[in-house]
Amino acid sequence: ILNVEQSPQSLHVQEGDSTNFTCSFPSSNFYALHWYRWETAKSPEALFVMTLNGDEKKKGRISATLNTKEGYSYLYIKGSQPEDSATYLCASSSSGSARQLTFGSGTQLTVLP
Amino acid sequence: EPEVTQTPSHQVTQMGQEVILRCVPISNHLYFYWYRQILGQKVEFLVSFYNNEISEKSEIFDDQFSVERPDGSNFTLKIRSTKLEDSAMYFCASSYLAGVYNEQFFGPGTRLTVL
Repeated sequence: ILNVEQSPQSLHVQEGDSTNFTCSFPSSNFYALHWYRWETAKSPEALFVMTLNGDEKKKGRISATLNTKEGYSYLYIKGSQPEDSATYLCASSSSGSARQLTFGSGTQLTVLP
Repeated sequence: EPEVTQTPSHQVTQMGQEVILRCVPISNHLYFYWYRQILGQKVEFLVSFYNNEISEKSEIFDDQFSVERPDGSNFTLKIRSTKLEDSAMYFCASSYLAGVYNEQFFGPGTRLTVL
C-alpha cells in the first residue's frame, strides 16, 4: 500500500512571492507521479504527470521536479498570484497498479493580495 | 475544452436507500474511474473500468458498490444500501490510455450525504 505525504498542509504567501511544497512517496515499484490543482467546487485540474527520475516539467509560472530514487517531488510557483490560491494534490501510482492513484492530503495555498 | 461532468452535484439520501451517481467521461476516453473523499481525509481510489469490465478495485469497493456503462456516454456508480459512512465526495475520472502517462481527468464531484 502506497503512503503519499504532502507538506506543508497549508501555506499563506504574499502576492509576488515564490513558493514550493513537497510530495513524498514510496520509491519502490514507482510508476508515475501526478500533480493536480483543485479549487473548491471545481474539478481537480491535471498539472503534470512525471515518470522519469530527474524529470522537470513547467507550465507557465508552475514547475515540478521528480526524484524517484529518494521518493519526492517538489512543486514550485514563481511570483504567486491570488488566482493560484487552491489545494495542490499529488498522487502516485505503482508499477503493479498503474491506473490506481494514491493521493496525498494536499497543500492548501492562499495567496494574499 | 472537453471535460468530465457529474450529476447530481449534491445528493441527500436516507440510510439503506440505493443511490446512483452519474458521470459523463470525456468522449474518446477508454478508462473510467471512481474515487471518493470522506470529509477531512485523502482522496481514495474505488474502481477502474475498461472495456465494459472492472480492471481494478480497492478494498472499499465491496458488494454494495457496482459500476456500469449503460450506454456510450454515461458511467455510473451504484451504492445498493447506503450507510452513514458512505457520506463523501465522489469523483469520476477518465483517461485515454493507461500507458506511460495515464493522465486522469476528473469531474467536479458529487457530494453524497447519507442521513
